[in-house]
Amino acid sequence: GDSVTQMEGPVTLSEEAFLTINCTYTATGYPSLFWYVQYPGEGLQLLLKATKADDKGSNKGFEATYRKETTSFHLEKGSVQVSDSAVYFCALSANQAGTALIFGKGTTLSVSS
Amino acid sequence: DAGITQSPRYKITETGRQVTLMCHQTWSHSYMFWYRQDLGHGLRLIYYSAAADITDKGEVPDGYVVSRSKTENFPLTLESATRSQTSVYFCASSTGGARGYTFGSGTRLTVV
Repeated sequence: GDSVTQMEGPVTLSEEAFLTINCTYTATGYPSLFWYVQYPGEGLQLLLKATKADDKGSNKGFEATYRKETTSFHLEKGSVQVSDSAVYFCALSANQAGTALIFGKGTTLSVSS
Repeated sequence: DAGITQSPRYKITETGRQVTLMCHQTWSHSYMFWYRQDLGHGLRLIYYSAAADITDKGEVPDGYVVSRSKTENFPLTLESATRSQTSVYFCASSTGGARGYTFGSGTRLTVV
């Protein structure tokens, strides 16, 4: 079945450092790919998404490119802030109406000043 | 207010008791989902629903029951709570496919 694998954390960075969180997927067909973020004590918020190969999703300085050839959707940010400290989830959805999101296990990011 | 709301936000219950977690959305989204979040497992799908009176099992349905008599409500019931069901539960809704999914704020359930 479909699955998502993302790098295990925690990831600890200093403010203004470069961030990469790796995400790879296994899926039949052509899924949509998502990154969700969960701040402490809160629910999940959609950070960005991409619906087809070579699409780049971006939001709040974060970017991820849908790479079909490597089945990857790595999350990057050029300069992290303390406020980016959160848990990041990579997820996929088969492009059929009503299919559920399949999540990776999440990566905890901690940014210190 | 528009959105997706879950209640209660926190719940402590005893082993063997029945408990119901509520989920309400105001968008009339067709699809609704229940996930549980556990450390080391990420989010796992419990049940989902494509429309009123249409529900189906997800990855971890054992010990849970759902119903959907109205499009806007999707309650999750633990018929006889066990300690292994201590978790954070998230409800989500969607119009389908790549349009995205919106999550509630979660219910933290502790079974003692």
